[in-house]
This record gives sequence, structure tokens and C-alpha cells, in this order.
Amino acid sequence: ETGVTQSPTHLIKTRGQQVTLRCSSQSGHNTVSWYQQALGQGPQFIFQYYREEENGRGNFPPRFSGLQFPNYSSELNVNALELDDSALYLCASSLQTEAFFGQGTRLTVV
Amino acid sequence: DAKTTQPNSMESNEEEPVHLPCNHSTISGTDYIHWYRQLPSQGPEYVIHGLTSNVNNRMASLAIAEDRKSSTLILHRATLRDAAVYYCILRDDNAGNMLTFGGGTRLMVKP
Repeated sequence: ETGVTQSPTHLIKTRGQQVTLRCSSQSGHNTVSWYQQALGQGPQFIFQYYREEENGRGNFPPRFSGLQFPNYSSELNVNALELDDSALYLCASSLQTEAFFGQGTRLTVV
Repeated sequence: DAKTTQPNSMESNEEEPVHLPCNHSTISGTDYIHWYRQLPSQGPEYVIHGLTSNVNNRMASLAIAEDRKSSTLILHRATLRDAAVYYCILRDDNAGNMLTFGGGTRLMVKP
């Protein structure tokens, strides 16, 4: 139990639709990161938010966007969904060194 | 980003020690060595990290080579619950919290 909760746990969307995934970070953690994990691969960094501002981004197109709220919870938004967006989306919160991951949202795009 | 190289998979017997190797020949002076593991159907979990000296915690030990070009994660007595994918990651702690995961090592533990 890491204290990081993600919702929903599973989601099915149609190609071209938009999706919003949510993350509630561990209490007091001011940094949240999002990762995409395709089946059989390691997680890939999407972006990171620190005190409500994006302060790092991986190799993902602009249709992947995010928000961090004053209580440090976060959202990941993906527009114009593609079949290759099907993956496990992981949120991680941190204060210093150790990152605490949620159990992820499994997104399937059909 | 400096890269790490790990074996794709390893096997161990329950209650025996496990040594998981990681090569990182292009490590820079400010890179910390982090280990995370991912149990089936769960998000990654922090295991241990270090810079130059060997480190111990309740989960594992981290042995770092003198030239820092390799490291070994040591599980002192493997249990069935330790079956997971283990990721060795280099992170410049001055450059934010981004973690660059590779393919990791899938550890299988036999009863």
C-alpha cells in the first residue's frame, strides 16, 4: 500500500476519443509523474509536475497533457486516442528520492 | 541518459541468496543507482539506491563496484514473494525525479 491511488482501474475507449485518468498522490508529496507501460516493457516517462507546473517531459506528443491541483492530485489527459495508446498508465508521487507508484489504470483502445 | 544493461531473466531457489547484476559503463559522477521492482499486476516499488558506497536496508543490499560501472542487487534469502521484474535505473538526483526504466530482469523463484 503506497498511498497513491489511481482511477479508474480499467477503461475501454474507442479510437479518436479523449480520456482523463486521475491520481491521488501520497499526502505531502509535491511531485507527481506519469508513466506509460506497454505490455512486456518497462514504464516510459510521460511527464512530471512539481507544485502545479510541468517540469519535465518525455518523448510523448502534445495530445498527452496533464494537470496538478493545489492538493497535489493530478490528471493525465489523452486526446485523439490511437490503438497504440493501449497500455498501463502509472502515476508516481514523490517528495525526495523515493517514488511511490499507484497500481495503474489499464487503458484499452479499440 | 546513461543506460543500464541487465539480464532478461534469472532463476533462484527459495531461501537462497540472489545476486542481480547491472552494468552501467557510461555512468556519470552525479548519477545515483536506483533499483525498483514490479510485482505482477502492481506498480513499481522502490527497493534501494546508492551513489558510491554499498548500501543495506530491510529489503536488500546494493553492492557498487569501485569504478561504479556496475552494481549488484542482493536479496539475502529469496522468497516466492520476491518474484518480480527488477529494474536498475540511473538517475541524476539534481535533474528531477524522472526514472528511465529499461527492460529489467525477470526473477523467478522456485519453491
